[in-house]
Amino acid sequence: AQSVTQPDIHITVSEGASLELRCNYSYGATPYLFWYVQSPGQGLQLLLKYFSGDTLVQGIKGFEAEFKRSQSSFNLRKPSVHWSDAAEYFCAVGAWAGNNRKLIWGLGTSLAVNP
Amino acid sequence: DADVTQTPRNRITKTGKRIMLECSQTKGHDRMYWYRQDPGLGLRLIYYSFDVKDINKGEISDGYSVSRQAQAKFSLSLESAIPNQTALYFCATSDLDDEQFFGPGTRLTVL
Repeated sequence: AQSVTQPDIHITVSEGASLELRCNYSYGATPYLFWYVQSPGQGLQLLLKYFSGDTLVQGIKGFEAEFKRSQSSFNLRKPSVHWSDAAEYFCAVGAWAGNNRKLIWGLGTSLAVNP
Repeated sequence: DADVTQTPRNRITKTGKRIMLECSQTKGHDRMYWYRQDPGLGLRLIYYSFDVKDINKGEISDGYSVSRQAQAKFSLSLESAIPNQTALYFCATSDLDDEQFFGPGTRLTVL
């Protein structure tokens, strides 16, 4: 079955430290992959997406993600976290479900940033 | 102006009441979605529509109905609200490439 797993429910990092949020997916074909961020009290905003080509994708706010087909992963990284990065992060896979394509969502990772 | 708008932003209602949540978009997308978000459960798809004549149930459609009045408008109704429908509701739109654009959400409380 198609699924997306974000193994870390909650992560706390110090401001200025590096960050990696994990995302693993289960899907038979090459997926479309997305990372979204939800700041407190806000809707979801796209950080970055992968459709094809270069497996290292650059996004907004200094984030990047790397698609690793052999590991079925699409981990999100940032070299130096800012206090404003505290938010909920969601990974999603665009996949066929019957006759329709839709997004399959992970449950999210909550990021806290210590000053 | 926001591309995807939702009204109301907050709503408190009582058990058994009918309530409608509205979504409008100016992105020109054919595809629209309704999700609910609950703590620890992520986003769950309620209904989706790929064009005005196409309505599909998502994973948790029981107790909900939708209406696609136009390309730009997609409404979600709770015919008889119950407390476990208390949640944050999001509308989203997309084009053919699956990238979804979200509204700001409606926080619904059913007493």
